[in-house]
Amino acid sequence: ETGVTQTPRHLVMGMTNKKSLKCEQHLGHNAMYWYKQSAKKPLELMFVYSLEERVENNSVPSRFSPECPNSSHLFLHLHTLQPEDSALYLCASSQDLTSGGTDTQYFGPGTRLTVL
Amino acid sequence: DQQVKQNSPSLSVQEGRISILNCDYTNSMFDYFLWYKKYPAEGPTFLISISSIKDKNEDGRFTVFLNKSAKHLSLHIVPSQPGDSAVYFCAASEGGGATNKLIFGTGTLLAVQP
Repeated sequence: ETGVTQTPRHLVMGMTNKKSLKCEQHLGHNAMYWYKQSAKKPLELMFVYSLEERVENNSVPSRFSPECPNSSHLFLHLHTLQPEDSALYLCASSQDLTSGGTDTQYFGPGTRLTVL
Repeated sequence: DQQVKQNSPSLSVQEGRISILNCDYTNSMFDYFLWYKKYPAEGPTFLISISSIKDKNEDGRFTVFLNKSAKHLSLHIVPSQPGDSAVYFCAASEGGGATNKLIFGTGTLLAVQP
């Protein structure tokens, strides 16, 4: 496997379910990100991790819970979601967290989440 | 309110002609700008970037122009090829930010007709 992989690619869940999204990067990067892309909206940054430490939580509701057990893996744990949480969830990684956005972010293919 | 705006949801261009994708921003603190390209069922991939100290950056068929006074940037693709058909996202970053944070536009779907 190369680059950034995400599983599952598609997920349908009820509002009372608990599920997790997984991201793995094979690039030796130190920073990882979760983004959300809702229909007709821009990509929104949710969380940023650097060397397994969360450095940004972009006002995300607590029903989304990230976990970064090591620099290669990132999870997004989901529980009691709402239908408006249906979106494409993208993971990305970068070498580091260089100031000013100049560290190129490499994206996974995303997980298409539908909440019923 | 969106800080990065791509007002054209879609653009159709003939193969061999120039494609011009536009992006406007409102935050004068942005000093680094990027374009990403996204094919269906794939994640966005980095295409080209420009720092605010420049007004033009070129990479092969792709050129990005920055007009700071107008808070406007554009991506030129010439000549356009059918394989360029994708969604193009403009993104911007604020200098001094500690988290490599990017603010994205909503994207423009480019269709290059053979």
